[in-house]
Formats: sequence, structure tokens, C-alpha cells
Amino acid sequence: GQQLNQSPQSMFIQEGEDVSMNCTSSSIFNTWLWYKQDPGEGPVLLIALYKAGELTSNGRLTAQFGITRKDSFLNISASIPSDVGIYFCAGEKWGKLQFGAGTQVVVTP
Amino acid sequence: NAGVTQTPKFQVLKTGQSMTLQCAQDMNHNSMYWYRQDPGMGLRLIYYSASEGTTDKGEVPNGYNVSRLNKREFSLRLESAAPSQTSVYFCASSEGAVDTQYFGPGTRLTVL
Repeated sequence: GQQLNQSPQSMFIQEGEDVSMNCTSSSIFNTWLWYKQDPGEGPVLLIALYKAGELTSNGRLTAQFGITRKDSFLNISASIPSDVGIYFCAGEKWGKLQFGAGTQVVVTP
Repeated sequence: NAGVTQTPKFQVLKTGQSMTLQCAQDMNHNSMYWYRQDPGMGLRLIYYSASEGTTDKGEVPNGYNVSRLNKREFSLRLESAAPSQTSVYFCASSEGAVDTQYFGPGTRLTVL
């Protein structure tokens, strides 16, 4: 099946640095979502985007729904150790989610 | 509020054995989902239930069956397990088909 292209695959950053990741697709989605998964846990929703061009923040997280509806990005500012984990994008269409392969973030002190 | 719960957390099966993964939600959600997660592939939808009494195939349904027992519970059955079904299985629920999905903690299944 169709998959979202999420990049980068992994990031090693120092505490305090900003993080950026993005997702692209060849098709349009109605909603873009960003999830975070900690080891041994299920994904937890971070941000949901419902309109093309929408820019939404949740604390140190900022995400945008691309104008073309085919892409989205997530920024994390001033990273802290608890930001470590795998971040997934997901696009929603007809009530079904399609997920990217994830971006693994490692934060070093 | 426990949210979405899954049992068991871990399971090891031999090829050909059968088992049922259980999922329950206490959020009064209408829609429920089963995903599998494999390394480097994100989550892929196996089956979903848009509402009580209905089930539909997702992206990777082969080798699985589901039962929406009631509004709270949605089970996934492997009739004859294969090594290719080694994966982490996640159940999720949402209020409606297009609403935010909430995930359980997962079941880690190994098929030898």
C-alpha cells in the first residue's frame, strides 16, 4: 500500500537544539497528525492539523499542514532529554490513517 | 479511565498455533482499529470497525480475523500463525471514523 515518506529516518541532537522533520505524500489528505512513541508504548497524539496551511503549536512543538495537502512538518524547539523517541506522521483520508516510517530522535546532554 | 487496554502484552507462538488478541476501550468510542508495526515500516492497518456490528479490511488483512464483540471490545484472531506475523500489534479507538485515534500499549508477538 501507499506509504508516506518521512524524513529524516533518525536524528542525533544535543540538548537545547531544535529538531525538524517532515512528511510528504503523492496524494492529498484531509488531516495530518503527529504522534510520538516511547519504547514499549503505543503512539501518543501530539498535534492534529485539519486545514491546509494551518500552523499549530503545542508547547515546544509546532506543526504545519502543507498548502498542497500533500505534506506536513513538525518542529521541536529547545530539545530536552524526554524528547527522545520515535515520531510518526499520519495522514487521514476516508477515516483511515496512513503512517510514515518514523523519525527516531536521540537527545544527548 | 484506562483508555485502550490490550492483552496479552507478550506472546510467543509456534507456527500453526492460533490465538486471539484482546482489546477494550472505556471511552465510549464508536470506531476501533487493529494495526501491526514492523521495523522501518510505521503502522499498517489490519482491520477496523467503524461502529458496533461492522468490520472492514484494512491494508494487510490476510491471515487475520476480527470480532467486534460489543462497543467496548474488538478482538484480533490469528487462526494459523506464521513467522511473517511476528510483529507488534496495536489496537486503537476513536469517537468517530474521522476523529483522533487513541492507541493501546501494544502486544508483542513472536511466531517461531
